[in-house]
Amino acid sequence: KAGVTQTPRYLIKTRGQQVTLSCSPISGHRSVSWYQQTPGQGLQFLFEYFSETQRNKGNFPGRFSGRQFSNSRSEMNVSTLELGDSALYLCASSTPARGTGVYEQYFGPGTRLTVT
Amino acid sequence: DAKTTQPTSMDCAEGRAANLPCNHSTISGNEYVYWYRQIHSQGPQYIIHGLKNNETNEMASLIITEDRKSSTLILPHATLRDTAVYYCTGPQTGANNLFFGTGTRLTVIP
Repeated sequence: KAGVTQTPRYLIKTRGQQVTLSCSPISGHRSVSWYQQTPGQGLQFLFEYFSETQRNKGNFPGRFSGRQFSNSRSEMNVSTLELGDSALYLCASSTPARGTGVYEQYFGPGTRLTVT
Repeated sequence: DAKTTQPTSMDCAEGRAANLPCNHSTISGNEYVYWYRQIHSQGPQYIIHGLKNNETNEMASLIITEDRKSSTLILPHATLRDTAVYYCTGPQTGANNLFFGTGTRLTVIP
């Protein structure tokens, strides 16, 4: 099975611009989660989509948004970019696992966004 | 949110077993404990997870204490490619997503 893919892998934007990142989950996975990783804050959860609906959301401003399509592919958008948005953005897909609790999440390679 | 406590860093000699501890006293009784690792500049890689019993797969073994307040990830024969940051994780409260702490930076020494 192909893994989680993210495009683009690297991106340089200017403050005030907006950006859209794309994630293609593992075939058959219906849940897609997005995380932001920075040296100072580590890995932080942004939001999760399941069957085209946002199911959970982390503590990020409204400039961060996302969506999921019927084929489970997901995009996240950041508007009015700030210098502090420079980070590695990771997408993870998952499928219901046995028992209760969190599904096993499989991460993509990430998109490294640099805001200048 | 589930909170985990791990040593900041550890060294291990190549070929020896690496034992990475984690305290996770806030992970409730019906929630799994997950371990991931992240090699520099790559996305985290799933290693193993467990609920109550010890688990083993082709990558590692997971030993969970009977009170479920802590666990140890064991890499039986560490190689240089095992150098990475290892995260012990649990779910965020009321959600299906994982809470990542700061992890343990494991360095395997030749």
